[in-house]
Amino acid sequence: DAGVIQSPRHEVTEMGQEVTLRCKPISGHNSLFWYRQTMMRGLELLIYFNNNVPIDDSGMPEDRFSAKMPNASFSTLKIQPSEPRDSAVYFCASSLLRSNYGYTFGSGTRLTVV
Amino acid sequence: AQSVTQLDSQVPVFEEAPVELRCNYSSSVSVYLFWYVQYPNQGLQLLLKYLSGSTLVESINGFEAEFNKSQTSFHLRKPSVHISDTAEYFCAVSDTGSSYKLIFGSGTRLLVRP
Repeated sequence: DAGVIQSPRHEVTEMGQEVTLRCKPISGHNSLFWYRQTMMRGLELLIYFNNNVPIDDSGMPEDRFSAKMPNASFSTLKIQPSEPRDSAVYFCASSLLRSNYGYTFGSGTRLTVV
Repeated sequence: AQSVTQLDSQVPVFEEAPVELRCNYSSSVSVYLFWYVQYPNQGLQLLLKYLSGSTLVESINGFEAEFNKSQTSFHLRKPSVHISDTAEYFCAVSDTGSSYKLIFGSGTRLLVRP
């Protein structure tokens, strides 16, 4: 298995632009998580899906952030409009619910908003 | 709700010396505990986990952690560190019930010096 695949690896965009981050979870995993990592706040859970359904989005910072999971093999995190304070590394992770094997993380997308 | 405390933000140590990275958790229910490692510019990788059974768990690269329920701790130890162990280490907790959210600590940067 290729693991959790995120794209792009790096994204530089101007303030106000729309940004879309993509994630392909491990085949067979039924839970997907989006995390944001910054120096100031560490790892923050933004949203998680179970069987493609959003279960908890309480970590989504504000309405500018949205996430979708149209099928079991793809998820997106969109920021519109982007702001400099959104600059961070965004990680996607997947797991098999009730397996308790922990998460498998992708390599992350480093987002810089200028 | 669970929480994780990693009191040490950075631990410098000389090569071949022993190290302990501290982790304490807070939870009103039974928990699973994890240690993840993050190398520079990479995602998090599962290092070891405690689910049940023996309170001492080991990783393939010489790390071990011991679950201490009375102390609510899950400290990570290695008897002799290598330069290649330099990384950020995250302790995480999830409850054993219906929620499979992982709550992460703030991380400890292990810096191994020659």
